[in-house]
Amino acid sequence: AQTVTQSQPEMSVQEAETVTLSCTYDTSESDYYLFWYKQPPSRQMILVIRQEAYKQQNATENRFSVNFQKAAKSFSLKISDSQLGDAAMYFCAYSSSGTYKYIFGTGTRLKVLA
Amino acid sequence: EAGVAQSPRYKIIEKRQSVAFWCNPISGHATLYWYQQILGQGPKLLIQFQNNGVVDDSQLPKDRFSAERLKGVDSTLKIQPAKLEDSAVYLCASSTDMNTEAFFGQGTRLTVV
Repeated sequence: AQTVTQSQPEMSVQEAETVTLSCTYDTSESDYYLFWYKQPPSRQMILVIRQEAYKQQNATENRFSVNFQKAAKSFSLKISDSQLGDAAMYFCAYSSSGTYKYIFGTGTRLKVLA
Repeated sequence: EAGVAQSPRYKIIEKRQSVAFWCNPISGHATLYWYQQILGQGPKLLIQFQNNGVVDDSQLPKDRFSAERLKGVDSTLKIQPAKLEDSAVYLCASSTDMNTEAFFGQGTRLTVV
């Protein structure tokens, strides 16, 4: 069975600084997708970035980028120029191309300090 | 484009009572998911529909939980009877097909007392 592990329950970053959130996963499949979702206090999960496992190039979306290490089964999220609005819970998620269901990690609470 | 709509936003019930949640996915989205998110944990898939057929309900406690998706559009999730451990946020999500981004609603926070 696939698992997703986020070992950092909470992280803090100074406004305008850079922070990296860690995620590791376990799977025996070769074709899958990885995601980072943001969940603010409103509870609505918002997609931050996605990565297809077959792509070697790391995904980038404005201030958000990932470091995808397929062999190491690692998928970290880097947030550059952190803003107060980035404060939220961040969930790493795995989706198999076979079953397509999302498996989420336990989340990392990000605090942004002014 | 309208997002995934869920109601109610909050619900408080006593244990052994029944409760139902409603979800209206984004128009045209064939895949619909119900997730349970217990405080301090990540969302856990309860059931996944493709149109009006069930794709995966392996983690749905079928002795008390039921879900349906009539006509492949709206969906309801029911709990009967509720237990204290059912207190959680219930999230509905939808996607255009089974390998693209899932769009989430704002969830229903259920408190069982």
